[in-house]
Amino acid sequence: NAGVTQTPKFRILKIGQSMTLQCTQDMNHNYMYWYRQDPGMGLKLIYYSVGAGITDKGEVPNGYNVSRSTTEDFPLRLELAAPSQTSVYFCASTLDRDYGYTFGSGTRLTVV
Amino acid sequence: RKEVEQDPGPFNVPEGATVAFNCTYSNSASQSFFWYRQDCRKEPKLLMSVYSSGNEDGRFTAQLNRASQYISLLIRDSKLSDSATYLCVVNSFSGNTPLVFGKGTRLSVIA
Repeated sequence: NAGVTQTPKFRILKIGQSMTLQCTQDMNHNYMYWYRQDPGMGLKLIYYSVGAGITDKGEVPNGYNVSRSTTEDFPLRLELAAPSQTSVYFCASTLDRDYGYTFGSGTRLTVV
Repeated sequence: RKEVEQDPGPFNVPEGATVAFNCTYSNSASQSFFWYRQDCRKEPKLLMSVYSSGNEDGRFTAQLNRASQYISLLIRDSKLSDSATYLCVVNSFSGNTPLVFGKGTRLSVIA
């Protein structure tokens, strides 16, 4: 089992560029989440999804968009990248909240 | 009051020491509790779930005190490899709302 796979692992963007962070899980989990973590700080929830076709905003959704067309994939779109979006982005999934989450290894994004 | 609060540390302890972390949560209706471990520049990984009766996994013991609304993690015989940030995680609300993560407590085990 691959678990939760995130690509790319690293990316440098210029201000104003756009990109999509990919997240795929092969565990047939309904629940998927996107977090960002700034250096020395805690996790902040960006968006989450409770199933295909359903998404909801988290704590810090501004500047991001998501879609969930399949159970496996939950891509995160950054439009018009800003330096404030420099962070590490983690995707997570779970079958049920009572089981905790499985995280991907993260995408390190720098906006210059 | 924040939903989940942890002492940020750092806790600097010598090898072989016993160290304990506490975490408080605000919602008395919370149902599920977890401790995660996060190494520097890595993703969080589930360390253990916390059960009402308390549970142990090797050198790690987790306790839940519902009356005082806190959970604890005890690490005995600390190893250098235990150095990490420990995140307290709580399932605070019903329905589909996400788990609530604490900001973490940093532990450094020193030789």
